[in-house]
Amino acid sequence: GQNIDQPTEMTATEGAIVQINCTYQTSGFNGLFWYQQHAGEAPTFLSYNVLDGLEEKGRFSSFLSRSKGYSYLLLKELQMKDSASYLCAVKDSNYQLIWGAGTKLIIKP
Amino acid sequence: GAVVSQHPSWVICKSGTSVKIECRSLDFQATTMFWYRQFPKQSLMLMATSNEGSKATYEQGVEKDKFLINHASLTLSTLTVTSAHPEDSSFYICSARDAEREARAAFFGPGTRLTVL
Repeated sequence: GQNIDQPTEMTATEGAIVQINCTYQTSGFNGLFWYQQHAGEAPTFLSYNVLDGLEEKGRFSSFLSRSKGYSYLLLKELQMKDSASYLCAVKDSNYQLIWGAGTKLIIKP
Repeated sequence: GAVVSQHPSWVICKSGTSVKIECRSLDFQATTMFWYRQFPKQSLMLMATSNEGSKATYEQGVEKDKFLINHASLTLSTLTVTSAHPEDSSFYICSARDAEREARAAFFGPGTRLTVL
């Protein structure tokens, strides 16, 4: 079956760095996505990786290793507004998005 | 660019009534739209995939006669919750795929919060 694993919840301190991991087992791979979702709102797109390596976009970076079925989202200089759920999703061989359950990130002052 | 709108943003209805939710891609053509449901503190659950001009593909366990999906144009898909019951109360989110920008697989609408009394 297809499976995406990410931690249920993480806590970090304002101004610090946090890494949210995502491992996947899917039938085929056509890209990995990270989305941010604040409570009561729809998800918003953060990043897309299809090749191995690190993609940096401001305070957020995303890394992919296809051979390991592994990705992480790195958030730097954490701000209180970063408190949200972070969803990892993989596009499989049928170009369908397979979603992880999301990681709830709690930022403390 | 790549904006998806959803209407209404929230709706309260009586049990037994039907509710229609619209999803529009505002600045791109969406050959495929997805409908999700999200219960509190849970992840997104894909309900169905709709392709313009054809019947929607429903996920296992989703009643197609209860959740009617119409994707009549490249910019509009509608989800109708028929004979709504309190257990249908949820956050419904649509997303649209921009075929020309495949890298960004899905752009999400703002969601519709449905409360059935």
